[in-house]
Amino acid sequence: QSALTQPASVSGSPGQLITISCTGTSSDIGGYNYVSWYQQHPGKAPKLMIYDVSNRPSGVSNRFSGSKSGNTASLTISGLQAEDEADYYCNSYTSSNTFVFGGGTKLTVL
Amino acid sequence: EVQLVESGGGLVQPGGSLRLSCAASGFTFSRHWMYWVRQAPGKGLVWLSRINGDGSSTSHADSVKGRFTISRDNAKNTVFLQMNSLRAEDTAVYYCGYQGSGGSGVYWGQGTLVTVSS
Repeated sequence: QSALTQPASVSGSPGQLITISCTGTSSDIGGYNYVSWYQQHPGKAPKLMIYDVSNRPSGVSNRFSGSKSGNTASLTISGLQAEDEADYYCNSYTSSNTFVFGGGTKLTVL
Repeated sequence: EVQLVESGGGLVQPGGSLRLSCAASGFTFSRHWMYWVRQAPGKGLVWLSRINGDGSSTSHADSVKGRFTISRDNAKNTVFLQMNSLRAEDTAVYYCGYQGSGGSGVYWGQGTLVTVSS
């Protein structure tokens, strides 16, 4: 199972809106609504930010939102804040009854 | 409060075996799918394995199939990852997680470091 494709890095200024894309195939993202997004700060465990494409767990800021179109999922962060600077990973269920992560995107807040 | 505490990591020689444990508390363990993922130093997350609530259904990534086995003991609220024929490329932080209710998202523990080296 090949990793999902994410941009290596994105950046934005405080208050801006940014979007991170995650591209897969019809055997993963395109075939199921089981896409999750995780935030990871250096040396810390991954934190669930979005599940099932567009749902936010309790306690996650509504500045974070998720969507999907075809074989591509997206994570959007509005009102960018310094503490949003982290690595972000997408994850999808696959037709092989496994899951697969994206390669990760480093978000820099300028 | 939900807690996931991984243990069993450490230094092991190539070809050796290790069993990781993850002790869970703060939720009804037997009702939740449990997962293992890993992260090599400076690299991204890699999905490894998952097991359903009663242990009757498991799946593993192709990269570890036949070498790694996930299991659980619901009486002890613990999930395991048995790792055999370890290689240098298995060196990573290993995280366990549980799938939340009502969705496919997973909540992760703090991880345990496995180093495979002679």
